[in-house]
Amino acid sequence: AQTVTQSQPEMSVQEAETVTLSCTYDTSESNYYLFWYKQPPSRQMILVIRQEAYKQQNATENRFSVNFQKAAKSFSLKISDSQLGDTAMYFCAFMTQSDMRFGAGTRLTVKP
Amino acid sequence: NAGVMQNPRHLVRRRGQEARLRCSPMKGHSHVYWYRQLPEEGLKFMVYLQKENIIDESGMPKERFSAEFPKEGPSILRIQQVVRGDSAAYFCASSVLAANNEQFFGPGTRLTVL
Repeated sequence: AQTVTQSQPEMSVQEAETVTLSCTYDTSESNYYLFWYKQPPSRQMILVIRQEAYKQQNATENRFSVNFQKAAKSFSLKISDSQLGDTAMYFCAFMTQSDMRFGAGTRLTVKP
Repeated sequence: NAGVMQNPRHLVRRRGQEARLRCSPMKGHSHVYWYRQLPEEGLKFMVYLQKENIIDESGMPKERFSAEFPKEGPSILRIQQVVRGDSAAYFCASSVLAANNEQFFGPGTRLTVL
């Protein structure tokens, strides 16, 4: 069975510092996509970053970057220069052609 | 403790028919959320329910869509008179406490409208 594990239910970081959220997954598929979603209190799911498994280069979107370790099945999210607006739940997700799985989420609090 | 269960996993309907999607939350969870994932798009929040109450339906289309979470039984997302644009994956999640606590997602129901 395909699973996604986020081992950190809650994290906090000081404003302007860097934080890394962990995600591991388990699959026997070779082609898949990985995502990080941000969910603010509005409950909307905002796509933060996306990584194709066949790409070795780590995806980057402004202050957000990932460390994709395919062999280790690890997909961590690094947030640089944390801002108060980054406070939210963050979900890691994994998708193949026929299936999509989510982690349980990490609640990130950015402190002023 | 079984995870969040959704059924059916795949549902095919013809235009004009009704679609009923079921979500059984994890044991002990009284909060349920429904999301829709359209092809090539991200997840969109639809509705948040507690037992017998709709808390937030700001993401639900005004027509044809309804949701319920009865005292007994699964949560139901109902789509009446389906159209091709309703084809999507619909995910349910549950949590123990209020929103922004850990949410556990189900495997989703893939609805195809012919």
